[in-house]
Amino acid sequence: SAVISQKPSRDICQRGTSLTIQCQVDSQVTMMFWYRQQPGQSLTLIATANQGSEATYESGFVIDKFPISRPNLTFSTLTVSNMSPEDSSIYLCSVDAQGAVYGYTFGSGTRLTVV
Amino acid sequence: GQQVMQIPQYQHVQEGEDFTTYCNSSTTLSNIQWYKQRPGGHPVFLIQLVKSGEVKKQKRLTFQFGEAKKNSSLHITATQTTDVGTYFCAGRGGGSNYKLTFGKGTLLTVNP
Repeated sequence: SAVISQKPSRDICQRGTSLTIQCQVDSQVTMMFWYRQQPGQSLTLIATANQGSEATYESGFVIDKFPISRPNLTFSTLTVSNMSPEDSSIYLCSVDAQGAVYGYTFGSGTRLTVV
Repeated sequence: GQQVMQIPQYQHVQEGEDFTTYCNSSTTLSNIQWYKQRPGGHPVFLIQLVKSGEVKKQKRLTFQFGEAKKNSSLHITATQTTDVGTYFCAGRGGGSNYKLTFGKGTLLTVNP
């Protein structure tokens, strides 16, 4: 299965600032997914990042707040902009590299606290 | 949109007891996946079910996909402390709908 390196693992940020989260995959993948997970809660899809095109955002998430880059088939970034305490959460990237055999592979997550 | 309901939200068992979590989708699924997330960890893929009525086993874990492809279950026989974590089901709709919709998860705790 794919291996994903996600950085940073955690951060504490001041409100009004921005944080960029990076995910590096050890193989080329068409789609990368960004999820948010509140502590003890389920995973909510933020957007799907395709190489060479604009990311597709889910209802309730907008590009101005969560800009995504996908410069090549192994890398993606998610920026959490103009942060507020409500953005405190765990952010995870994932890929569907091997479908039925391995399902989705997730990065180790970024635990963000906004103060 | 597609919704996946999962129950129970929490389950506490004594080591050696069995455990079951259930998922129900509002729409017919093309497949359903199960993930396990240890405390402080990230979700890890367990299995995918595709066929109507499919049953798969992994050691003490048994996964079922309903005949109508709208519900699924995960059953753990004789739980161990290593089974502790949150179990998520995730359904994928048909056609061009490639996205996974996750259930809310069931947090399993095991008393040794």
